[in-house]
Amino acid sequence: GAGVSQSPSNKVTEKGKDVELRCDPISGHTALYWYRQRLGQGLEFLIYFQGNSAPDKSGLPSDRFSAERTGESVSTLTIQRTQQEDSAVYLCASSPGLAGDTQYFGPGTRLTVL
Amino acid sequence: AQTVTQSQPEMSVQEAETVTLSCTYDTSESDYYLFWYKQPPSRQMILVIRQEAYKQQNATENRFSVNFQKAAKSFSLKISDSQLGDAAMYFCAYRRLRNNAGNMLTFGGGTRLMVKP
Repeated sequence: GAGVSQSPSNKVTEKGKDVELRCDPISGHTALYWYRQRLGQGLEFLIYFQGNSAPDKSGLPSDRFSAERTGESVSTLTIQRTQQEDSAVYLCASSPGLAGDTQYFGPGTRLTVL
Repeated sequence: AQTVTQSQPEMSVQEAETVTLSCTYDTSESDYYLFWYKQPPSRQMILVIRQEAYKQQNATENRFSVNFQKAAKSFSLKISDSQLGDAAMYFCAYRRLRNNAGNMLTFGGGTRLMVKP
């Protein structure tokens, strides 16, 4: 079946503008994750959704970052008043929501803040 | 908090040869999962291999195998018969066992693997 998809693939914005990044998980996957990857670095966890449970927001770097998920489908990551240090690739992953399951990643959105 | 360290920023291997990528981690837990992911220039993270900490046997997937040393908290990846398509960034990752909050992956900084023809 289809994998995890993300849109847009690339986003260029001006400092101070708001951006929305979208993630479509694999159908049936109850768990959804957002990660950030700065240039030349590993992935940093941002936020985790599991079914109808309250999301784990412990990785969000500031209150400018927020995310929503509609049921067990689409998720949107919003960054308000973007800063240059927000420039990174934002990766989404989904998994069936079982103990030790494998996370499947999307191709990411490259965000550039000018 | 768990940390994952990859001490080799770059590695190079001749096609058809064998290369080993290193990974160490720090945790106070006894049960967990370890993963190696590959990230080619397309940015897509691809699972290469996974290891459950409670299993003593090292995981293998075709040309890929791991050397899991639990006491030393070491988890290296061996790639045999290297191919040009193996060239990519490789990330080691740790995940807690419990199926509740805290299911995220903790990643190392990555190792760039170059394969010479």
